[in-house]
Amino acid sequence: DQQVKQNSPSLSVQEGRISILNCDYTNSMFDYFLWYKKYPAEGPTFLISISSIKDKNEDGRFTVFLNKSAKHLSLHIVPSQPGDSAVYFCAASGSNAGKSTFGDGTTLTVKP
Amino acid sequence: NAGVMQNPRHLVRRRGQEARLRCSPMKGHSHVYWYRQLPEEGLKFMVYLQKENIIDESGMPKERFSAEFPKEGPSILRIQQVVRGDSAAYFCASSPLDRRVNYGYTFGSGTRLTVV
Repeated sequence: DQQVKQNSPSLSVQEGRISILNCDYTNSMFDYFLWYKKYPAEGPTFLISISSIKDKNEDGRFTVFLNKSAKHLSLHIVPSQPGDSAVYFCAASGSNAGKSTFGDGTTLTVKP
Repeated sequence: NAGVMQNPRHLVRRRGQEARLRCSPMKGHSHVYWYRQLPEEGLKFMVYLQKENIIDESGMPKERFSAEFPKEGPSILRIQQVVRGDSAAYFCASSPLDRRVNYGYTFGSGTRLTVV
């Protein structure tokens, strides 16, 4: 049973346009949601997070939206840059810390 | 300030041998997490440790796999009698004692295990 799902394995956008990466979850006990970015042959890097008591969190070009009733979150990157090309993982945690559960990732390609 | 250090970066083992993967957390971090990424898949949780304690090993296979985080030294993920299905990238992450869950982990660069 996959509790965190990223249904789009890949996404391609033009430089300067918006990238929207989606994530769905099934476990209503999750309280925190995080996005990580991963380049080949490197470990994931934490990007941005959101608490379940919020519906939006913004950090520069990155904004995460949470729709708790739909158990859905999305990461918006605007404007997209070629350096944003990477695999993006959605992850979720309970409020008692400990492990995070990851999705399978979406490969974003930003074309110049 | 070094980040999370994993070694070796690449490890080749023959079927039946043992694999030992090491992880030194960031300075000041007392929580260590191991994740495995199989080809074309996401990161799967394996085990969560604090110094000298296993907190959550719900993702560890019941046989052949073990992990420790001793009082001194790195955390070790040990795989005995490796099989081809163990070939994967193994990532270690660390966080401080007072980590807020929304700050995210710091990951190492991973160990790529190939079983031949």
